[in-house]
Amino acid sequence: DAGVTQSPTHLIKTRGQHVTLRCSPISGHKSVSWYQQVLGQGPQFIFQYYEKEERGRGNFPDRFSARQFPNYSSELNVNALLLGDSALYLCASSPTGGPIHEQYFGPGTRLTVT
Amino acid sequence: KQEVTQIPAALSVPEGENLVLNCSFTDSAIYNLQWFRQDPGKGLTSLLLIQSSQREQTSGRLNASLDKSSGRSTLYIAASQPGDSATYLCAVKEETSGSRLTFGEGTQLTVNP
Repeated sequence: DAGVTQSPTHLIKTRGQHVTLRCSPISGHKSVSWYQQVLGQGPQFIFQYYEKEERGRGNFPDRFSARQFPNYSSELNVNALLLGDSALYLCASSPTGGPIHEQYFGPGTRLTVT
Repeated sequence: KQEVTQIPAALSVPEGENLVLNCSFTDSAIYNLQWFRQDPGKGLTSLLLIQSSQREQTSGRLNASLDKSSGRSTLYIAASQPGDSATYLCAVKEETSGSRLTFGEGTQLTVNP
């Protein structure tokens, strides 16, 4: 079975632009979480979606938004990009939205804002 | 608010040495604790997951322990190898936060041949 997939692998954007990152969970997994990892730091939780509903949100500005589709894939959108948004964005999936199941991480999308 | 701290931030050892990485967390109401490995620019590879009711987990040369009441976990790596060079991250899942993981900042390990 395929693991969690993310696209694109890398991208470069200019300050003020908008970006959309995509994530496909493991088949059968209904929950997707997004994390931001700035260079040299641990990942920080951004959002969790389960059954197309937001189940949790970290301490990120409203420029960050996400959604989950009927096939359980997810998009993370960031508006008005800042230099500080440069990071590795990680997606993780799990079978349910609760704590009982382990999360499985994708390879990440490296975003560079210039 | 849960905070996770990892010590040391960086560690350099000669090949063959046994080593211990430390992780501490401020809120003991955790569901489980997980250790990850991250190679430069890559995603996360899960190494060991310890449920809150467990004391330790072992996988090959790796052993992770958990003392929930004191808010501490250690990752023991036996007979280190250059291929173990990576960043090791500790993360906790709280009882009331769904799937959300709170990560430490990691320990960057270098094993020298």
